[in-house]
Order: sequence, then C-alpha cells, then structure tokens
Amino acid sequence: GENVEQHPSTLSVQEGDSAVIKCTYSDSASNYFPWYKQELGKGPQLIIDIRSNVGEKKDQRIAVTLNKTAKHFSLHITETQPEDSAVYFCAARQTGNQFYFGTGTSLTVIP
Amino acid sequence: GAVVSQHPSWVICKSGTSVKIECRSLDFQATTMFWYRQFPKQSLMLMATSNEGSKATYEQGVEKDKFLINHASLTLSTLTVTSAHPEDSSFYICSAGQGGSEQYFGPGTRLTVT
Repeated sequence: GENVEQHPSTLSVQEGDSAVIKCTYSDSASNYFPWYKQELGKGPQLIIDIRSNVGEKKDQRIAVTLNKTAKHFSLHITETQPEDSAVYFCAARQTGNQFYFGTGTSLTVIP
Repeated sequence: GAVVSQHPSWVICKSGTSVKIECRSLDFQATTMFWYRQFPKQSLMLMATSNEGSKATYEQGVEKDKFLINHASLTLSTLTVTSAHPEDSSFYICSAGQGGSEQYFGPGTRLTVT
C-alpha cells in the first residue's frame, strides 16, 4: 500500500515568515494530494489540494507544489499569522481508494 | 458547501455501555463515508469505509462487532461503540465524499469511557 512521510513534525516560525512542510509518497498511482489543517479539539479542514496533472496550485497565502517524478509534494504558507498555528496533515489518494495520511506537523507561529 | 456534522461532539459513558455517534453530510449526498480514530498528537487511523446501502469495510485490526457502522442513507452514517471500555476512549472523526476525490471531515466526537 501507500506510505506517506511528512516532515518536519514540529515547526516554529516568526510571524510574517514563511513555513514549508514536505511530504513524500511511495505509490506512483496516487493522483490526489490534499492538505488539512486541524485545530485543537476539531476535525481536519481541507485547506488546499492538488491533482497529479498539476505541478503547482496557489490560494492566497497558501500554495502546494507537486513533483511526481520524485514523489513529493509540499505546502507553502507565506506571511504567516498566529491563527495559522495548528497541526497540518498531508494525504495521498488513488481514485476510489482510501486516503493515506502523513504523521502531521505542528506549526507554531510566534507573534 | 460540503459541510459534515457529527453528534454528539463529546460523550462520557460508563464501561460496558454502548454509544452511538452520528455523522451527517448537510448539503450534499455522500456516497462514501469514512470513520477515523485519532489518539492525542497522532495522525488519523482509518477504521472503516462505509458505502450507502452496503456493509462497511473494516481495516485490519478493527473489530467489526465492537464498532458497528451503519450507512443508512446518503446523508447519514452511524458508528456504535458496543460494550465500551476505557481503552475505547478516543477522538472519533468521520469524513464524507461526494464521489470525487475530495473528502470533508466532521468536527469529531470525543468519547470518554469511565
């Protein structure tokens, strides 16, 4: 099956700086890669996703890049704000199959 | 759009009793719903996949007789934890999909078994 690795496990940045979280996957058949933000005591919230036919996608301060050859994808958050502090999970999925999640990154934005 | 609700948001029950958790897709029909369990500071662990009108598919190691899943309609799936024990205490999260790639998570249910 698919194996998704996520790094780093914890990340602290100063407010206004950028944050980058990286994930790798093992199954070349995976074709959908979402990122979720989870605040304490809440369910994960989809913040951005990318499909295998696209290399990059951006939504305001958030962007995701995908390198299919290397089987890795990254989340980029620019101009970080304290409200960006949360746990972020990446995931990989092949159409019709289950989602495989990374182990999560705890992001802390220091005011 | 794509809102998923869960009820209750938290529940405390005594050991040996059963607890039912509901997962509803509020503004779309969910052909597939997933149930996850999450331990503190850990990732989501898939328990089972349910499709409307058919039996749930359980992941290896998940007791289907203990965690009963019923996907009665395209907007409702329920998870019943039978004969709950303290080790069943956890955060249970459902998610639902519309048939495409995306899945949307509910807010989670915190179960505490005393």
